[in-house]
Amino acid sequence: GAVVSQHPSRVICKSGTSVKIECRSLDFQATTMFWYRQFPKQSLMLMATSNEGSKATYEQGVEKDKFLINHASLTLSTLTVTSAHPEDSSFYICSASGQADSGNTIYFGEGSWLTVV
Amino acid sequence: LAKTTQPISMDSYEGQEVNITCSHNNIATNDYITWYQQFPSQGPRFIIQGYKTKVTNEVASLFIPADRKSSTLSLPRVSLSDTAVYYCLVGGTRSYIPTFGRGTSLIVHP
Repeated sequence: GAVVSQHPSRVICKSGTSVKIECRSLDFQATTMFWYRQFPKQSLMLMATSNEGSKATYEQGVEKDKFLINHASLTLSTLTVTSAHPEDSSFYICSASGQADSGNTIYFGEGSWLTVV
Repeated sequence: LAKTTQPISMDSYEGQEVNITCSHNNIATNDYITWYQQFPSQGPRFIIQGYKTKVTNEVASLFIPADRKSSTLSLPRVSLSDTAVYYCLVGGTRSYIPTFGRGTSLIVHP
């Protein structure tokens, strides 16, 4: 089946620094990618939708200047958490939609744990 | 977007069949129903997808009644490793934005 890969799987950064998380579709072209964050024992919360070559669409309450999303190619989207604070510590998950096994299926990455100290 | 409602939690025992039902009363004509499984600290994993009637693969079956206002994920003979959160998502093709409800936390006991 289609594979979506995230990197890094875990990252620790200091408060005030920026950290980048990559999301790659390995065997298909992802026209649309989605970014989520998930707190322990809670569901996935959609942060933004990104389409290749255009600006991301952010959900209400998500700061676009803090969570920078770039979808420069059909196989790569990046999420950069700028000026990170401890409250940004969370599990971040990306997903991708494209022409894979089924054009209607969304595939998810393995997730990335961010800890801000 | 079709809103989904699932039981918050379920308990079962090894070897039993587990059926998790999802309600999606305002499902649209071109919406598909997709189920995902999520283990702690992992991304959701695709289980099965269907549009109507019944779909079966190597891990599960999906039953969808004629009115499509609900669907039931059936896991045959569960094992301890099936302990996870199961999410039902409903959406169409082009403008589909996968939005998650609370999911069903399944605990399989020895």
